[in-house]
Amino acid sequence: NAGVTQTPKFRILKIGQSMTLQCTQDMNHNYMYWYRQDPGMGLKLIYYSVGAGITDKGEVPNGYNVSRSTTEDFPLRLELAAPSQTSVYFCASSYSIRVGGSNGIQYFGAGTRLSVL
Amino acid sequence: AQSVTQLGSHVSVSEGALVLLRCNYSSSVPPYLFWYVQYPNQGLQLLLKYTTGATLVKGINGFEAEFKKSETSFHLTKPSAHMSDAAEYFCAVILISNFGNEKLTFGTGTRLTIIP
Repeated sequence: NAGVTQTPKFRILKIGQSMTLQCTQDMNHNYMYWYRQDPGMGLKLIYYSVGAGITDKGEVPNGYNVSRSTTEDFPLRLELAAPSQTSVYFCASSYSIRVGGSNGIQYFGAGTRLSVL
Repeated sequence: AQSVTQLGSHVSVSEGALVLLRCNYSSSVPPYLFWYVQYPNQGLQLLLKYTTGATLVKGINGFEAEFKKSETSFHLTKPSAHMSDAAEYFCAVILISNFGNEKLTFGTGTRLTIIP
């Protein structure tokens, strides 16, 4: 059971560089999410997707872009990295609570630790 | 608007003592409530959840939480702390957006330290 897989685990970027954080899930979940976790701040939602081709902004979307071309994949793109984007990034997925079954439980990847210097 | 507040960013208890982590929510509709645990350098794992039905919910590792509508609370407890319980704990509520989509809103977390 792979669950939610994130790559890479660690990355160091220079200011202004771009990169894509990869996220894939093998549970056929319709919902997928990207969060960032900063010390003492809990998790903040960056973007989420309710299905292939459909995405929406979360609390802190500025500086990021996403796409959802397939059910399985939900990559997060940083176009011009800034020091403020130094954080730990988590991808998660879930069924809709309306579908029932797992009732909205989110399954998390192990995270990507990103430093922008 | 819906949100969740965790009281106390750090809690320390002695091994064998009661663990109590506090969570209050605000919601205009019946909430879906969750507790997640994060061990060092790992992602979040579900401890327990409340959706409907019985208000006392039992989770993994001996944890439980009680949904109290009158107090808008969902506090997490464990009768006897173990060293392996040291972690960060997040309370969360399902937030329904204006478009009917579901977003999980997290509290800021409580770091639990167990004193030998």
